Amino acid sequence: EAQVTQNPRYLITVTGKKLTVTCSQNMNHEYMSWYRQDPGLGLRQIYYSMNVEVTDKGDVPEGYKVSRKEKRNFPLILESPSPNQTSLYFCASSLLSGHGNSPLHFGNGTRLTVT
Amino acid sequence: GQQVMQIPQYQHVQEGEDFTTYCNSSTTLSNIQWYKQRPGGHPVFLIQLVKSGEVKKQKRLTFQFGEAKKNSSLHITATQTTDVGTYFCRDDKIIFGKGTRLHILP
Repeated sequence: EAQVTQNPRYLITVTGKKLTVTCSQNMNHEYMSWYRQDPGLGLRQIYYSMNVEVTDKGDVPEGYKVSRKEKRNFPLILESPSPNQTSLYFCASSLLSGHGNSPLHFGNGTRLTVT
Repeated sequence: GQQVMQIPQYQHVQEGEDFTTYCNSSTTLSNIQWYKQRPGGHPVFLIQLVKSGEVKKQKRLTFQFGEAKKNSSLHITATQTTDVGTYFCRDDKIIFGKGTRLHILP
């Protein structure tokens, strides 16, 4: 089944403890992206990747890192989480790079709480 | 930067009533996409509009792209409880609108 898989679904951690949220897609998509969703703010892009070894900042990249060493994986790394990073995170992928031409496929989301 | 403005932010309707959400851009768009997110779920792609004045239908949902390609609408006829959720538009610069949350009153 074609899908985007994120793990974990829920995560509670403490300030400063490094964490990684994994994202994997099995559709051979070029484009992958991370979003955070907060009430009243919609979906805001954190980082995106147009292909392997190519990553770029989105609208809210501060406090986050990503890597794209393989086409299928795009982990989101929080080196030193802070409470303002408490949010619902979505990974998404699409077939083609470029600007909004291909439908995005989303993972099920990761709800992160930083205390 | 460019962003799409989506209105209204919230909408409460009685079951069976119609519902419309609008997406407006200050610049001409090459395309626009619509997504639906059920409560507790993830956004799911509904449709993409490309042509000026384009109208597409999916059962009770009607999507329109304005003649100037600066605005778009999603209209739901005779809402049902299964329509509950948040509807997002996404412009050609991969920016999402803030969404319209639809509540259905039984």
